[in-house]
Amino acid sequence: GAGVSQSPSNKVTEKGKDVELRCDPISGHTALYWYRQSLGQGLEFLIYFQGNSAPDKSGLPSDRFSAERTGGSVSTLTIQRTQQEDSAVYLCASSRQGAMGANVLTFGAGSRLTVL
Amino acid sequence: SQELEQSPQSLIVQEGKNLTINCTSSKTLYGLYWYKQKYGEGLIFLMMLQKGGEEKSHEKITAKLDEKKQQSSLHITASQPSHAGIYLCGVNAGNNRKLIWGLGTSLAVNP
Repeated sequence: GAGVSQSPSNKVTEKGKDVELRCDPISGHTALYWYRQSLGQGLEFLIYFQGNSAPDKSGLPSDRFSAERTGGSVSTLTIQRTQQEDSAVYLCASSRQGAMGANVLTFGAGSRLTVL
Repeated sequence: SQELEQSPQSLIVQEGKNLTINCTSSKTLYGLYWYKQKYGEGLIFLMMLQKGGEEKSHEKITAKLDEKKQQSSLHITASQPSHAGIYLCGVNAGNNRKLIWGLGTSLAVNP
């Protein structure tokens, strides 16, 4: 597609429920990133994919968080048993390649998650 | 403490005024990126600086990289309401693929 597409744009859920957030990157972009943006916290790295593999999962805050990418394209971020502190905007970005010095990321508009 | 400090945290200027935003890293810079974010939208790439002394411009926005000071400044000339938003700097802090981000500078431009 022309840009990075994320869905849903807004999600309100109850504590303890599972949520899935989807990211459709720019066609041909092999690198895909998930970030979390909370008020006053800045952008927090969650996970990075190169193709379908995730060489860096170091930012996932707990084992309730998981992500997968299939066909080198769409990625899904799953949060199980959501907690109120999971409330944030989840941003997905993609880039043509993941090599250092070429990290011009194109971001999606984000998925705003509110956990009641 | 933050690895990447942005200042000021927020800024309100009158339309037509010039302004400068700074981004200072506590670690050696291998590359610095400036992005802009408007509410409800993703981050929009502005510029990437990789070499000390490098200066780039995007319309009325100019950014410079001072490698020795581990700092970049972003300067907006004759600000317009369209410049309003949050400006974020990100750096490659070493040989990895994730960027470290500042907390952002919120800019409002009053007509």
